[in-house]
Amino acid sequence: DGGITQSPKYLFRKEGQNVTLSCEQNLNHDAMYWYRQDPGQGLRLIYYSQIVNDFQKGDIAEGYSVSREKKESFPLTVTSAQKNPTAFYLCASSVPGLSSSGANVLTFGAGSRLTVL
Amino acid sequence: GIQVEQSPPDLILQEGANSTLRCNFSDSVNNLQWFHQNPWGQLINLFYIPSGTKQNGRLSATTVATERYSLLYISSSQTTDSGVYFCLTGTASKLTFGTGTRLQVTL
Repeated sequence: DGGITQSPKYLFRKEGQNVTLSCEQNLNHDAMYWYRQDPGQGLRLIYYSQIVNDFQKGDIAEGYSVSREKKESFPLTVTSAQKNPTAFYLCASSVPGLSSSGANVLTFGAGSRLTVL
Repeated sequence: GIQVEQSPPDLILQEGANSTLRCNFSDSVNNLQWFHQNPWGQLINLFYIPSGTKQNGRLSATTVATERYSLLYISSSQTTDSGVYFCLTGTASKLTFGTGTRLQVTL
């Protein structure tokens, strides 16, 4: 079945440590996205990538880094510079990218819940 | 940037009742989607509806882009409809999530 796989589902880390969240899709989608959700809040865009080896900052990119070396994979690193990293992280993908005039319909993974102790 | 407000913020229904959720946006858009986030956090796409009306079972959605709003109708609600409903809207260069409506359906 096609879909988006995020891992790990739950992650606990000590303050000051970098952590990397995995996002893999087998939908052959061009664009991929990372969102952050805080308890009781909406989703905010961290980074997005429309093609391999290219990515752009979203609204809250500070303290995060990404890479897009393969079409299927878009890992997110939460660095020690992120002041409040405890949150629910969601990865998404879509067929055309944001700059396309086509129907840009997002599909989401199940999410990764990061808790910093 | 575009502002996206949803109403009501919270809604409690008895099973079998109908409801209307609203998404207002502050600028012209050519993309609008409705999502349901279940209690485990999974976001499911319900509709892609930049304009017009669509129906899928007990759910339907209408977007009036010229008046900058979209409506999601839930008929004969079930406990499995509980969760948070988000709209996502914007243009080719940027999409923004709404503030969400938290729905609880009780027996």
